[in-house]
Amino acid sequence: RKEVEQDPGPFNVPEGATVAFNCTYSNSASQSFFWYRQDCRKEPKLLMSVYSSGNEDGRFTAQLNRASQYISLLIRDSKLSDSATYLCVVSLPNDYKLSFGAGTTVTVRA
Amino acid sequence: NAGVTQTPKFQVLKTGQSMTLQCAQDMNHNSMYWYRQDPGMGLRLIYYSASEGTTDKGEVPNGYNVSRLNKREFSLRLESAAPSQTSVYFCASRAGSRSQHFGDGTRLSIL
Repeated sequence: RKEVEQDPGPFNVPEGATVAFNCTYSNSASQSFFWYRQDCRKEPKLLMSVYSSGNEDGRFTAQLNRASQYISLLIRDSKLSDSATYLCVVSLPNDYKLSFGAGTTVTVRA
Repeated sequence: NAGVTQTPKFQVLKTGQSMTLQCAQDMNHNSMYWYRQDPGMGLRLIYYSASEGTTDKGEVPNGYNVSRLNKREFSLRLESAAPSQTSVYFCASRAGSRSQHFGDGTRLSIL
């Protein structure tokens, strides 16, 4: 079983729509959670960290469900510029390594 | 405000040639990492360095060597390049349990 699994998509949505997707992780001891975005094989860039109580950054909302071992990302009022691959990243306490999901592709159409 | 700098950005090699990919960070991060990313696949960890003076194997270390030259620099060496090593290589750094910061990648083709 992979440490981090994501629905690869693609999620094709019109501008202005809301899109949401999840990421599951296998190790219940995981402690740090992040969402990154990656454009066209460029470098991954941090979108947001995910906190236990859930957190929001503008149009983006991240949630953590420890009981079911998944994190989610919701994008409201989608923009064309939101088209990207979104990577779920998880790490264990005191572990220097991070586990990356393979990514969920989102395409926002005009 | 450089962050993580990788050189070169593009390289074409012939099978059997050697080369070193350079990475430097100016954020005073302790941990540094090398990943490769192939089409349709996620990032795979090649080697990492938790701190200056230490290096450890990741998921796909075969065919690579690394050197943590100092706190800022972490290089990746291909001793005898093979076509299977054609990929995009990303270097990253990290402070503690915080998120990683990535360089903009090296596109490497091996003929």
